[in-house]
Amino acid sequence: DSGVTQTPKHLITATGQRVTLRCSPRSGDLSVYWYQQSLDQGLQFLIQYYNGEERAKGNILERFSAQQFPDLHSELNLSSLELGDSALYFCASSVEDSAYEQYFGPGTRLTVT
Amino acid sequence: AQKVTQAQTEISVVEKEDVTLDCVYETRDTTYYLFWYKQPPSGELVFLIRRNSFDEQNEISGRYSWNFQKSTSSFNFTITASQVVDSAVYFCALSEEYNFNKFYFGSGTKLNVKP
Repeated sequence: DSGVTQTPKHLITATGQRVTLRCSPRSGDLSVYWYQQSLDQGLQFLIQYYNGEERAKGNILERFSAQQFPDLHSELNLSSLELGDSALYFCASSVEDSAYEQYFGPGTRLTVT
Repeated sequence: AQKVTQAQTEISVVEKEDVTLDCVYETRDTTYYLFWYKQPPSGELVFLIRRNSFDEQNEISGRYSWNFQKSTSSFNFTITASQVVDSAVYFCALSEEYNFNKFYFGSGTKLNVKP
């Protein structure tokens, strides 16, 4: 158990809908990363926050947004969902900002029908 | 172009065999970090190692060893005397100086260790 929690574990929704994925980092970690893992795209970095501030952006679609709250938990919002958004979404946390080892949560499996 | 290439999609070995997983990276930065992560069937990625670009010493941790060669831009991972519990997907990742927070993962190598 990495200490990173993600909810929900599974999510099934329809195209066009909006969902929110939640992540709580390990105690003491200030940095939160979001990743998307799909069969065709592999593991893609989406976005990173450190102590409430956005620090790095990867291949995140405009329909997706995220934030990190004062208690350091983070939420990833996915809107106008498409079939291709079906994937496993991982959250990871790290103690510092920048190139440290990350501790991954169990992931949220999103299925868009 | 892929920043991290793991050419071996899937490898199958028999228990107790040694196996090497290849990782080739591409970067123009002189300062960067390389990582290996393991994703067992349960799904959660587990950190294995972090290496900075200035440290080319090979590292050994139990049955695991890593060979970092800047000359060939490779960071290969060897499992000695493999065990069934080593069955997983292994990912190599790169973090570059211009933005250390942006991680590039390879496509992963699925290792099957048969009893």
